[in-house]
Amino acid sequence: EDQVTQSPEALRLQEGESSSLNCSYTVSGLRGLFWYRQDPGKGPEFLFTLYSAGEEKEKERLKATLTKKESFLHITAPKPEDSATYLCAVQGGYQKVTFGTGTKLQVIP
Amino acid sequence: DAMVIQNPRYQVTQFGKPVTLSCSQTLNHNVMYWYQQKSSQAPKLLFHYYDKDFNNEADTPDNFQSRRPNTSFCFLDIRSPGLGDAAMYLCATSLAGSTDTQYFGPGTRLTVL
Repeated sequence: EDQVTQSPEALRLQEGESSSLNCSYTVSGLRGLFWYRQDPGKGPEFLFTLYSAGEEKEKERLKATLTKKESFLHITAPKPEDSATYLCAVQGGYQKVTFGTGTKLQVIP
Repeated sequence: DAMVIQNPRYQVTQFGKPVTLSCSQTLNHNVMYWYQQKSSQAPKLLFHYYDKDFNNEADTPDNFQSRRPNTSFCFLDIRSPGLGDAAMYLCATSLAGSTDTQYFGPGTRLTVL
């Protein structure tokens, strides 16, 4: 069974303090690893899809990287508006998408 | 802009009173999903449609049903809501391929009194 573990569960940063969120996974035949941002009371907003180890993608202050066992979401010089829960998900050989429970990020001005 | 729309955004129902949640999409995606998400938990897949083919998750209660009358619309019916069914219900769509990136709607928050 595919598994996704995200750490830390919660992270509090000062504005401008860069950090990384971790997503560890086990999957049979990775088809894709996904990162989403979810604001309170809203649906997940798609950020990135990564397909194979070594791949990196960037969007504004966010950069996602992928290895064979984990993915990192690096946040550079975060701003208060980056505060949200970040969800990681994987799609394996059976095509079902498995989500982690997320990392709740709070960026303090 | 192409998007996934859910209505209503907030739904209040009484214990045991049937409720229907709706989802529409302008992305022209052939796969539509319904997820249940409770506070601080991962989204839990209830079922999905691959075109017209319905796929139920093994642990989805019989109380939950779904209809997809056409490519654009999908409905979630909860026949007899219990207090434990209070949650955020998320609709998502994807274009079937080797990797199915899912795009979510804003969700419907269901309260059961």
